[in-house]
Amino acid sequence: DAKTTQPPSMDCAEGRAANLPCNHSTISGNEYVYWYRQIHSQGPQYIIHGLKNNETNEMASLIITEDRKSSTLILPHATLRDTAVYYCIVRGRDDKIIFGKGTRLHILP
Amino acid sequence: EAGVVQSPRYKIIEKKQPVAFWCNPISGHNTLYWYLQNLGQGPELLIRYENEEAVDDSQLPKDRFSAERLKGVDSTLKIQPAELGDSAVYLCASSFGGQVDNEQFFGPGTRLTVL
Repeated sequence: DAKTTQPPSMDCAEGRAANLPCNHSTISGNEYVYWYRQIHSQGPQYIIHGLKNNETNEMASLIITEDRKSSTLILPHATLRDTAVYYCIVRGRDDKIIFGKGTRLHILP
Repeated sequence: EAGVVQSPRYKIIEKKQPVAFWCNPISGHNTLYWYLQNLGQGPELLIRYENEEAVDDSQLPKDRFSAERLKGVDSTLKIQPAELGDSAVYLCASSFGGQVDNEQFFGPGTRLTVL
């Protein structure tokens, strides 16, 4: 079973920041938080990952709480092309990625 | 650089027929994965290869599914015979090493419809 909990869907206005929450209260010390997204009819695409510290790349920012029990993926300026299902994943040393149902993000024009 | 290549993109067969899917990973990636994705669900791992060796096939239904990765590059996933419930998208992914810090790159998938 997936070790994360995400809202099933969210809306965000185009040009605004999209903040996608994820709960992972049972995460252990050596497990990473990964985010992937899946645009319709495509395979999942890696976005970002982190262990303890906040991370930022050209696509998004990842904010991990100090107790590591939750995190937020931030898309700073959402566009229509960001419409997708976003998966938050806790990934341990055995390398298995266990996907849940994710959050379906709708970007509204 | 080319991504993960899968073929065919779509396949329609009748139940009890065999079917095969092909995957070519990103050059240099020694770890290869096959996933199954049902409608409205996230992908589920079927099998993972490190080079030629299947290191995790615990979720592969071995009565009808088989996979191979000869020479540690391309891989083929086969279903024989196919059942109605096998209709799904079959995704292939690859990574450089199986370490937890290595991202997986996914192909576009093969959408299988069993009639």
